[in-house]
Amino acid sequence: KQEVTQIPAALSVPEGENLVLNCSFTDSAIYNLQWFRQDPGKGLTSLLLIQSSQREQTSGRLNASLDKSSGRSTLYIAASQPGDSATYLCAASQGGKLIFGQGTELSVKP
Amino acid sequence: GAVVSQHPSRVICKSGTSVKIECRSLDFQATTMFWYRQFPKQSLMLMATSNEGSKATYEQGVEKDKFLINHASLTLSTLTVTSAHPEDSSFYICSARRPGLAGVEQFFGPGTRLTVL
Repeated sequence: KQEVTQIPAALSVPEGENLVLNCSFTDSAIYNLQWFRQDPGKGLTSLLLIQSSQREQTSGRLNASLDKSSGRSTLYIAASQPGDSATYLCAASQGGKLIFGQGTELSVKP
Repeated sequence: GAVVSQHPSRVICKSGTSVKIECRSLDFQATTMFWYRQFPKQSLMLMATSNEGSKATYEQGVEKDKFLINHASLTLSTLTVTSAHPEDSSFYICSARRPGLAGVEQFFGPGTRLTVL
């Protein structure tokens, strides 16, 4: 059974710092890996999707990598801003379903 | 990107009543939609997969008679929480699946906050 874990559970950084969020999964037979952002009381916003055949995807200040063999993905946020404060969720796609990690709650202090 | 809406965004009801939540794909047809629930500070847990024109597939531990799902058209799926109780209070989120530029993706609705008194 696929299990997705995110570390750390919470992270607080000063504005301007570069940071890395980690996601690990136990079964490497995934279709793709997605990163989402969730603001309090809101739905999910898709940030990046990495196909199983890809190694990374970039969008603006965000870069996501995928290493299937080690069961890991990272989300790199460059030059963090207070507006980046949110919960970040990763999800592995398998069997037509998404299996979510518990999320990392990010706080960027001005 | 694709747009998925949910209605209502927030609902408060008395224990024992039934509540219906709608999920609509606004600019694409979705043969498959998903229903999740999320407790505070926790991740999303898949409840069921909703397939247009056929019965929903429920995840283990989810009562199909309590959480009724109907996917009567390619743009609408509904979740009815029957005889709701306080422990059903949660954040319910739907998603719709469609092919995108990066492959098959799920697009999420804004969620419905259910509070059962």
